[in-house]
Parts: sequence; C-alpha cells; structure tokens
Amino acid sequence: EPEVTQTPSHQVTQMGQEVILRCVPISNHLYFYWYRQILGQKVEFLVSFYNNEISEKSEIFDDQFSVERPDGSNFTLKIRSTKLEDSAMYFCASSEAEPRYGYTFGSGTRLTVV
Amino acid sequence: QKEVEQDPGPLSVPEGAIVSLNCTYSNSAFQYFMWYRQYSRKGPELLMYTYSSGNKEDGRFTAQVDKSSKYISLFIRDSQPSDSATYLCALTVGNNDMRFGAGTRLTVKP
Repeated sequence: EPEVTQTPSHQVTQMGQEVILRCVPISNHLYFYWYRQILGQKVEFLVSFYNNEISEKSEIFDDQFSVERPDGSNFTLKIRSTKLEDSAMYFCASSEAEPRYGYTFGSGTRLTVV
Repeated sequence: QKEVEQDPGPLSVPEGAIVSLNCTYSNSAFQYFMWYRQYSRKGPELLMYTYSSGNKEDGRFTAQVDKSSKYISLFIRDSQPSDSATYLCALTVGNNDMRFGAGTRLTVKP
C-alpha cells in the first residue's frame, strides 16, 4: 500500500537553528499538508500546498515557516530560528482529491529543540 | 465552547465489547467528518469519512453523524486488542484546514 514517507524520524536541534523536515508524498497525490502535534495536545493544521503554491495556512504558520516542493517527489517544511515551543511531532500528509475525503499521513518527525 | 470536543478517556474495555466514541462540535459549517486511528508514535490513519447525517458502516466500524445535534460517533463492534489506539475525530468545512478532536485513548483488554 502506498505510503507517505517522512525523514528523519527524530531530529534534535539547538534553539535558533534552522531545520528542514522532509516528506515524500504518495506519487499520484496532488494536495500536500503539514500538521503538528505538540505532546499531549491536538493535531493542528499548519499549511496546505497545491499546484506548487500554498493554498491555505493557519495562524501558526508564520514567517518562521516555509514549504517547498523542490522536485517532483519531495515536499519540505523549513523552520527558521527554532524555538523551544516548536518541539512537536510534525506530520506530512497528502491526498489525491479534495481534503474532505481524508488524508494519508506519514509517521511523523519528532522535533526536539534544546 | 471549544470548536471540537472529544473526551480524551482513557477508555478500557474487554475484548469483544462494543465501543462508542464521540465528538461534539460547535461550528455548523462543518460538512465533512472523519475518524482517524493513531497508534503510539505513528501518524493518524484514516478509518472512515462521512458527509451526510446518518450511519456509514465498514466492517466492524460504524460512523454516525447527527448534524442537528452537532454530534458524531464511531462504534466498534467485537473490539479486539489490536484496536487499542487513540481515536481522533476530524472535521472540515470542505477546505484544507481540518480540525481534530483531542483524541480518545482506547485499550481493549484480552
């Protein structure tokens, strides 16, 4: 069964450093997303990406964050100047059609900012 | 009132029991309703999605939506230890911003 693949599974970074989280969505999917889940809290929407541009973003997704699809297969989330409160699980997801039919999530990247 | 409310549990049942998981919501604009299952340290896995009020069945799982009461449910029949996970409801108005419940942690004991 097709999977969304995320790397690395765990990333530790120093506060103030930049990190790039990587995702390989399912190949025929057209919509891509990043969500995050702070430990013990809800899964929260960050951003959606369609047709090579951001289609929606939440209030969390401020200038510290950016997304890119550098080639036909990868989808990345960059966090500049990380803060302690950025520590969370970051999930990439993709969908073939519009989001109301649900997403396929990756296993996540656990980001720890120290 | 929170936009999506879900009792976090934990909920513990014996194997074979019927499990009922519920969410309430406040925004009547939500049109699409999903249930995800999340195992520890894994991403959410889509179980079911529904659009209209009523029931939708898939094997041992039944999703129920009552838009008039702003209430959605997931029933699991003949629960198995492998069903032990956190169950998340997720709602959207039809755009990309899906709102998740807090998740209910379920344990099915052999």
